[in-house]
Amino acid sequence: DVKVTQSSRYLVKRTGEKVFLECVQDMDHENMFWYRQDPGLGLRLIYFSYDVKMKEKGDIPEGYSVSREKKERFSLILESASTNQTSMYLCASSYSYKGSGYTFGSGTRLTVV
Amino acid sequence: KQEVTQIPAALSVPEGENLVLNCSFTDSAIYNLQWFRQDPGKGLTSLLLIQSSQREQTSGRLNASLDKSSGRSTLYIAASQPGDSATYLCAVRGVKTSYDKVIFGPGTSLSVIP
Repeated sequence: DVKVTQSSRYLVKRTGEKVFLECVQDMDHENMFWYRQDPGLGLRLIYFSYDVKMKEKGDIPEGYSVSREKKERFSLILESASTNQTSMYLCASSYSYKGSGYTFGSGTRLTVV
Repeated sequence: KQEVTQIPAALSVPEGENLVLNCSFTDSAIYNLQWFRQDPGKGLTSLLLIQSSQREQTSGRLNASLDKSSGRSTLYIAASQPGDSATYLCAVRGVKTSYDKVIFGPGTSLSVIP
């Protein structure tokens, strides 16, 4: 069964901490994405990567960075966590060909206190 | 700029009813449209993927149609069950969207009452 795995379902971090969210896919997908989801705001794209070591900013990249050292792994980094980064974080991946759909992970609920 | 809307925002039906969820998009130049289901506090589960050259896709009690020219897709759920209660989102992969990004609709929250 193909999968996108997010390392944590729930995380609680303190303001100012550096936070790492990990995402691993086993489908050999070229593209990987990080979204955050908030009530009333829907899904918003933070960053995406279309190849190893390649990254592009999404709609709301401020306060975040990413790393993709291997094809199967895409990490989201909160350099200094703030309370307004409390959210549900969703990782997704897809093939690069135009007909490909997205596969999502199960999400990480991050609370910053 | 591609925009995706879903109507209604919320829907409540008694168990056993057939129902239709709607998704509209403003730019018909798309590669595909995907329907997802999301349970509270969980990730998105893909239900159906329709390519731009297709008119419909079926999986069990679900049938999704696509009318590119009118910018519309519908998700038909037959004989609804309480376990179908969830939020349903559609997502469009547009030709003019850079780097193959998709645009998501806001979702329809479905409640099936036993």
